Amino acid sequence: KQEVTQIPAALSVPEGENLVLNCSFTDSAIYNLQWFRQDPGKGLTSLLLIQSSQREQTSGRLNASLDKSSGRSTLYIAASQPGDSATYLCAVRYHGSGNTGKLIFGQGTTLQVKP
Amino acid sequence: DTAVSQTPKYLVTQMGNDKSIKCEQNLGHDTMYWYKQDSKKFLKIMFSYNNKELIINETVPNRFSPKSPDKAHLNLHINSLELGDSAVYFCASSHLDRDNEQFFGPGTRLTVL
Repeated sequence: KQEVTQIPAALSVPEGENLVLNCSFTDSAIYNLQWFRQDPGKGLTSLLLIQSSQREQTSGRLNASLDKSSGRSTLYIAASQPGDSATYLCAVRYHGSGNTGKLIFGQGTTLQVKP
Repeated sequence: DTAVSQTPKYLVTQMGNDKSIKCEQNLGHDTMYWYKQDSKKFLKIMFSYNNKELIINETVPNRFSPKSPDKAHLNLHINSLELGDSAVYFCASSHLDRDNEQFFGPGTRLTVL
């Protein structure tokens, strides 16, 4: 079964800390993996998209890595700020879904950065 | 602003009613999606249209009927609403045959009383 798991479900860190969010997936045959941010009561904001042929992507203080062989991706946030507080979602587009664009989402990690 | 927009943002209705949610994207994408986010915040695909053709139809009650009048619009009509339909419904769009990076609308919070 094609699933996506994110651990931990919640994380609280002091401001300025570097942190890593984890995402694991059950099948290495993927097209790509996308990281999103969701603020309370809001929609999803796309942060980074990693194609299956890539090992990492960077945007500002964010760096996402992909290891297909182990079925894992990490989202690294450098020098965390209170404004980074949100739920972070990982979503995978598996080959098994055909050319439909279907994303399988993890349950998310809710991050709180304390001032 | 280039974006995915949805109306209405909130929808409160009685059981048994029929309601529609509308979605529009001006990103020039060829594929649009409906996702449902339940009370535990879990997101699941419901439907997808590529160039107005239905390409994803997950196990969703047939009370839910999507319609795509053109590539920029995807509507969701729900008949005979039930309590369990209460959720946040998100529309998204992407270029399917490019990188398929999906962009989401702000969501419609549906409450069935």
